[in-house]
Amino acid sequence: NAGVTQTPKFQVLKTGQSMTLQCAQDMNHEYMSWYRQDPGMGLRLIHYSVGAGITDQGEVPNGYNVSRSTTEDFPLRLLSAAPSQTSVYFCASSYSTEGPASNYGYTFGSGTRLTVV
Amino acid sequence: AQSVTQPDIHITVSEGASLELRCNYSYGATPYLFWYVQSPGQGLQLLLKYFSGDTLVQGIKGFEAEFKRSQSSFNLRKPSVHWSDAAEYFCAYSISSGSARQLTFGSGTQLTVLP
Repeated sequence: NAGVTQTPKFQVLKTGQSMTLQCAQDMNHEYMSWYRQDPGMGLRLIHYSVGAGITDQGEVPNGYNVSRSTTEDFPLRLLSAAPSQTSVYFCASSYSTEGPASNYGYTFGSGTRLTVV
Repeated sequence: AQSVTQPDIHITVSEGASLELRCNYSYGATPYLFWYVQSPGQGLQLLLKYFSGDTLVQGIKGFEAEFKRSQSSFNLRKPSVHWSDAAEYFCAYSISSGSARQLTFGSGTQLTVLP
């Protein structure tokens, strides 16, 4: 059981380049989300999805796109990278609100450290 | 506005000493509350969670947290800290909005453990 897998672990981009951060989970979780972590700011929600074909914006969605074509995968796309997007990105997944309370917890990936120069 | 506050940015304790990390939330009802730990270069690991019921929650690695509704607090405690506890700790809460859930994090508390 791999849990939540994020690739790549490290990435350096030039301003204006595009890339996709990959996230996959094998726990059949309905809910998936992307966070960015910046010093002194904790983790902030970028986008989330409550199931295949359904996505919505979080606190800091500008500059990022997502899609959810399958339950397992939730890629995050940067269409035109900017230095302000230098951060550590975490993907997380969990069961839906309809699940039992004991499952109401998130599993996090190990993160992608992105630098935009 | 709904928020979670960790007032201590950095705490230093000696190994074997007791530990308390503070967390306060601002929300009209009782949210679901969590504590996560992040070791350097790693993802977040869930220490414990509170949904309802007993206000003293036991977690992994010898941690516990107490929910106090009157103080809107959910402080994390450990009676005797080990060097391996050095990490960053995040308090978070989750509220339900229809079928979606938002997990909101505090800004974190960095714990240093002295030998």
